[in-house]
Amino acid sequence: NAGVTQTPKFQVLKTGQSMTLQCAQDMNHEYMSWYRQDPGMGLRLIHYSVGAGITDQGEVPNGYNVSRSTTEDFPLRLLSAAPSQTSVYFCASSYSQENYEQYFGPGTRLTVT
Amino acid sequence: GEDVEQSLFLSVREGDSSVINCTYTDSSSTYLYWYKQEPGAGLQLLTYIFSNMDMKQDQRLTVLLNKKDKHLSLRIADTQTGDSAIYFCAGPNSNSGYALNFGKGTSLLVTP
Repeated sequence: NAGVTQTPKFQVLKTGQSMTLQCAQDMNHEYMSWYRQDPGMGLRLIHYSVGAGITDQGEVPNGYNVSRSTTEDFPLRLLSAAPSQTSVYFCASSYSQENYEQYFGPGTRLTVT
Repeated sequence: GEDVEQSLFLSVREGDSSVINCTYTDSSSTYLYWYKQEPGAGLQLLTYIFSNMDMKQDQRLTVLLNKKDKHLSLRIADTQTGDSAIYFCAGPNSNSGYALNFGKGTSLLVTP
């Protein structure tokens, strides 16, 4: 199993550009999430999905869209990048409803200039 | 959901024990977690404890849970330089599809 994969690893965008961060998992996990990590802020939940076709907002959803057309993939779209979206983005998945253990991807480091 | 607080920095000497502390708010939490993040990497699950346990030991790691005070700690025995990392305490965010609420992370620096 590859686990949770994310692409790209690094990205530089200009303000106003759009892009999609890719996330895929091959563990047949129903639950997938996107977090952003900023210095001194820990990880904050952006969006999450409890299964294909079902998504919802987390703590900091503004400026981001998600969709979940398959169990495996959960892309994160930046509609119009802003410098405040400079961050490291982590995708995570989990399986069990009793144990919330999250499996994390390696992250995408995004810089918006 | 869970609010999770932890101290931001800890420095210890190699060979000493490290204790990282965390407090949480949601008394209905079922599992509480410790994740480790090495520089430039993602988060890896280090250990977890079920809420009906007071202690869990796994080799050099000891997790203590005080449900009355809503306090969780991670003790690393015989700390090594390879243990230098950021450690995150996390609890369930049951309002958000089984995502987790994370503390801000404790940066552990182990000096020779």
